[in-house]
Amino acid sequence: GESVGLHLPTLSVQEGDNSIINCAYSNSASDYFIWYKQESGKGPQFIIDIRSNMDKRQGQRVTVLLNKTVKHLSLQIAATQPGDSAVYFCAERGAGTALIFGKGTTLSVSS
Amino acid sequence: DTGVSQDPRHKITKRGQNVTFRCDPISEHNRLYWYRQTLGQGPEFLTYFQNEAQLEKSRLLSDRFSAERPKGSFSTLEIQRTEQGDSAMYLCASSKESRARTEAFFGQGTRLTVV
Repeated sequence: GESVGLHLPTLSVQEGDNSIINCAYSNSASDYFIWYKQESGKGPQFIIDIRSNMDKRQGQRVTVLLNKTVKHLSLQIAATQPGDSAVYFCAERGAGTALIFGKGTTLSVSS
Repeated sequence: DTGVSQDPRHKITKRGQNVTFRCDPISEHNRLYWYRQTLGQGPEFLTYFQNEAQLEKSRLLSDRFSAERPKGSFSTLEIQRTEQGDSAMYLCASSKESRARTEAFFGQGTRLTVV
């Protein structure tokens, strides 16, 4: 079926380290992907997106990589800070459909 | 604040009562989505609108749920005869569909507790 999953439910890193959060998707027809960050009690916050015609996109301290061959998406956060602690979701969208979310990875950053 | 606005933020209701939530999208966003999120899970798609037209409904949206977007601006989500299983965070998101930009922005959600 159409679903998005994440490899690890939790990730713990030290402040200043680089973080890599992974996501596997199953719908090869999906052409658009987004990473969201969600803090406790708040709605998901847009981080970065990527279309299927790209394999890499960079933002401020974040990079998204897309490997369509193995249907894998990753979010890299450089110099992770305590404020980056949250749950991270990847979401996919096929043409004409709504975003479908995975279960999320909880990132914990310790000082 | 020009983001997506949801009202109320919290709602506690007795089982069997009806509840209605409101979402005001970002101005000029033509797509509006409703999602439901339970603890520890990712948001689950319920339905979405393109302007005033409801284009897709998830099978999660039972007959007790109805959503409207009468003028293509704000939207309401009504749950009739609430059940304890309806307890969740209800999230609204909006986007401006174009070839270049399709990211969806979420509101803070309405947390529903059915007692």
